[in-house]
Amino acid sequence: GAVVSQHPSWVICKSGTSVKIECRSLDFQATTMFWYRQFPKQSLMLMATSNEGSKATYEQGVEKDKFLINHASLTLSTLTVTSAHPEDSSFYICSARDGRAGANVLTFGAGSRLTVL
Amino acid sequence: DAKTTQPPSMDCAEGRAANLPCNHSTISGNEYVYWYRQIHSQGPQYIIHGLKNNETNEMASLIITEDRKSSTLILPHATLRDTAVYYCIVRVGHNQGGKLIFGQGTELSVKP
Repeated sequence: GAVVSQHPSWVICKSGTSVKIECRSLDFQATTMFWYRQFPKQSLMLMATSNEGSKATYEQGVEKDKFLINHASLTLSTLTVTSAHPEDSSFYICSARDGRAGANVLTFGAGSRLTVL
Repeated sequence: DAKTTQPPSMDCAEGRAANLPCNHSTISGNEYVYWYRQIHSQGPQYIIHGLKNNETNEMASLIITEDRKSSTLILPHATLRDTAVYYCIVRVGHNQGGKLIFGQGTELSVKP
């Protein structure tokens, strides 16, 4: 089945630095990927839709200059948390839709846990 | 997309069937019902989805009422590994790129 890989699985950084998280579809091409954020004991919150070759679409309330998304190829989307602060500490999860005929299921990565000191 | 309502938590004895309900009274005719689960500190895992007919796969069964206003996910023989948060989501197939909006889900605890 479809596999989505995220890297790194966890990262610790200092306040003020930027962190990049990668999301790869390993065995399929994904024209669309989605980025979610999850705080402890809460549900997943959709941050943005990443479209290959075009600008990402951000959900209301998500700062696009804070969370930079690049979808440069059909198998890779990246999320960069710029000038990270402790309140950005969270579990970031990506998902991708296998665009092959008949497939209408989103596959999720294992998540990336960010801790900002 | 339609909103869903799920009980916040449920318990189930190991080996017994786990029946997880979901209300989606405002569902539209072209909206599917999807179920995902999230085991602690992992990404969500797809379980099953359906439009109006009941569905079964190797993981679970999905029973959708005739009026489509509610559904039940059935894990026929729950194991301790099935302990997770289960999310019921309704959405139109490829509407808005097919994004999923998660509610609060049901935290299922399978006990020995």
